[in-house]
Amino acid sequence: DTEVTQTPKHLVMGMTNKKSLKCEQHMGHRAMYWYKQKAKKPPELMFVYSYEKLSINESVPSRFSPECPNSSLLNLHLHALQPEDSALYLCASSQAGTGAETQYFGPGTRLLVL
Amino acid sequence: QKEVEQDPGPLSVPEGAIVSLNCTYSNSAFQYFMWYRQYSRKGPELLMYTYSSGNKEDGRFTAQVDKSSKYISLFIRDSQPSDSATYLCAMSGGSNYKLTFGKGTLLTVNP
Repeated sequence: DTEVTQTPKHLVMGMTNKKSLKCEQHMGHRAMYWYKQKAKKPPELMFVYSYEKLSINESVPSRFSPECPNSSLLNLHLHALQPEDSALYLCASSQAGTGAETQYFGPGTRLLVL
Repeated sequence: QKEVEQDPGPLSVPEGAIVSLNCTYSNSAFQYFMWYRQYSRKGPELLMYTYSSGNKEDGRFTAQVDKSSKYISLFIRDSQPSDSATYLCAMSGGSNYKLTFGKGTLLTVNP
């Protein structure tokens, strides 16, 4: 089963709100990722967790705060977002340490910031 | 020069046509090559994965990698309307967790 699940599917939030995106995988993968994707663009890497530790932060603004509670779960906490943060937020996972980097993506959360 | 170049199209073909999608790259360290299919408003779906040079076939899909030319291709035989999507090439050097994506090619297969 190569499934990554994400909730919610859609999210509308104001610039003063706090919300969280959730991601789950049960493939035994030890690397998990957050990407941001704008329309007609490829996914853009935000964060990488490897063995539940943050290993890559692509200079993402602090209004995005990732969390990895355990090896199957990944959260992205959102606070004081801007309208330009509206995008499709994708979670992905892969086996860690193989170098293969074959990443499996979830369906995404479509975020609209008003 | 971008690390990965992919013709964004759009590409429109009749049903049953053979489709060829291509990417070129400049980084010799890339060893792992992937093709993802992304339907509108959905997450990317891994279609094909190839390590180093060679061909790989899966049903109507064939992936080719030519490392000497730094060129990868995805062929779709007997294309179907359900193949209409954006196709993203992606590659990595295996030393970190980063994938480098092409811009994606939007394919429409007309019935």
